[in-house]
Amino acid sequence: QVQLVQSGAEVKKPGASVKVSCKASGYIFNSYGMNWVRQAPGQGLEWMGWISGYNGHPDYAQSLQDRVIMTIDTSTSTAYMELRSLTFDDTAVYYCARGPRSLPADVWGQGTLVTVSS
Amino acid sequence: AIRMTQSPSSLSASTGDRVTISCRTSQDISTYLAWFQQKPGKAPKLLIYAASTLQSGVPSRFSGSGSGTDFTLTISGLQSEDFATYYCQHYYSYPRTFGQGTKVEIK
Repeated sequence: QVQLVQSGAEVKKPGASVKVSCKASGYIFNSYGMNWVRQAPGQGLEWMGWISGYNGHPDYAQSLQDRVIMTIDTSTSTAYMELRSLTFDDTAVYYCARGPRSLPADVWGQGTLVTVSS
Repeated sequence: AIRMTQSPSSLSASTGDRVTISCRTSQDISTYLAWFQQKPGKAPKLLIYAASTLQSGVPSRFSGSGSGTDFTLTISGLQSEDFATYYCQHYYSYPRTFGQGTKVEIK
């Protein structure tokens, strides 16, 4: 079955970077893109960006484009999201979610809690 | 960026009730709209896409309607497992913004 398995929880200090992985299985990785969505504690969903599983071309939310890097490794069917210069406001659960360019995300990972704490 | 206005932010309802949630966009998105359900501690789940197409496996009591800038999610005959938070999201362009969510609580 289609599955996205994300890396484990992280605790980072302000100013550090975090890299979250999302390993896909059960489908042809390069036929779909990958969305990244985050959710701060008690808050709503924030779309961070999308990366093509075919050519690795990303589209980032303007609010994050200076700090986020999304990449893929087709050899391992894994997508990565790196966020730099972390602040307390980046504390959130980060989700990867499969989706082609023209459709919404239909399969989601389990989420990765990133806590920014001094 | 396209702005999403979802209403109400919360509602109380009883099992068996008919519930409607509204989502309005700041510009015409045709039918490039999806609805998600999220339960506490869980990832969102896709319910409806293309404004009115039910995702595979989603019960038929869920329905969506609308086009352009005004959309509605309807739950006909609320079940206990439907108490959750619901989000709309457009996928007309980037960024793919979400509505602020509607929490459906037990009356």
